[in-house]
Amino acid sequence: AQRVTQPEKLLSVFKGAPVELKCNYSYSGSPELFWYVQYSRQRLQLLLRHISRESIKGFTADLNKGETSFHLKKPFAQEEDSAMYYCALITGANNLFFGTGTRLTVIP
Amino acid sequence: DTGVSQDPRHKITKRGQNVTFRCDPISEHNRLYWYRQTLGQGPEFLTYFQNEAQLEKSRLLSDRFSAERPKGSFSTLEIQRTEQGDSAMYLCASSLGVRDEQYFGPGTRLTVT
Repeated sequence: AQRVTQPEKLLSVFKGAPVELKCNYSYSGSPELFWYVQYSRQRLQLLLRHISRESIKGFTADLNKGETSFHLKKPFAQEEDSAMYYCALITGANNLFFGTGTRLTVIP
Repeated sequence: DTGVSQDPRHKITKRGQNVTFRCDPISEHNRLYWYRQTLGQGPEFLTYFQNEAQLEKSRLLSDRFSAERPKGSFSTLEIQRTEQGDSAMYLCASSLGVRDEQYFGPGTRLTVT
């Protein structure tokens, strides 16, 4: 069975500090991982997916199959990064399986 | 096209009543998904459609739940004989095809009293 673990429910960092949101997964197949973000009063939206290997809004995430991790990183946090972040795994049936989320607060 | 829309945005109902939610996906998106999100949890998959065919249902979708997508466009999710445990945010998403980005709607918040 698949599992996505986000160990931190809440994370606070100061503006300009580096930020890392942790995500670990368990899946028997070939994993495809995503980070979704939900800003205050907005709908859930895709931030990035590992196969695209892009940097979106300064965020990057590398899939580490050895450690079964897909941590989200940004070198310098901005106030507008404050949001709820969900790590998700896509199953063979193309259904997203989400972690419980991490609420990031960037302190000015 | 303003993205995925859902109606109503909020619904308060008494235990035992039936409720129906509607989702309008992005035009030409073949896939439509329903998720449920309870407090402190991430969205949980309920079911999805490829055009009008319902291809998979989660075991979370009890017999009291039914979903349709009659013409491969909008979809409805009905909950019969609601229970307090059904209180949640119900999210709809759509995608163009397999493994394409899923675009989410704003959700319908259900409160069962």
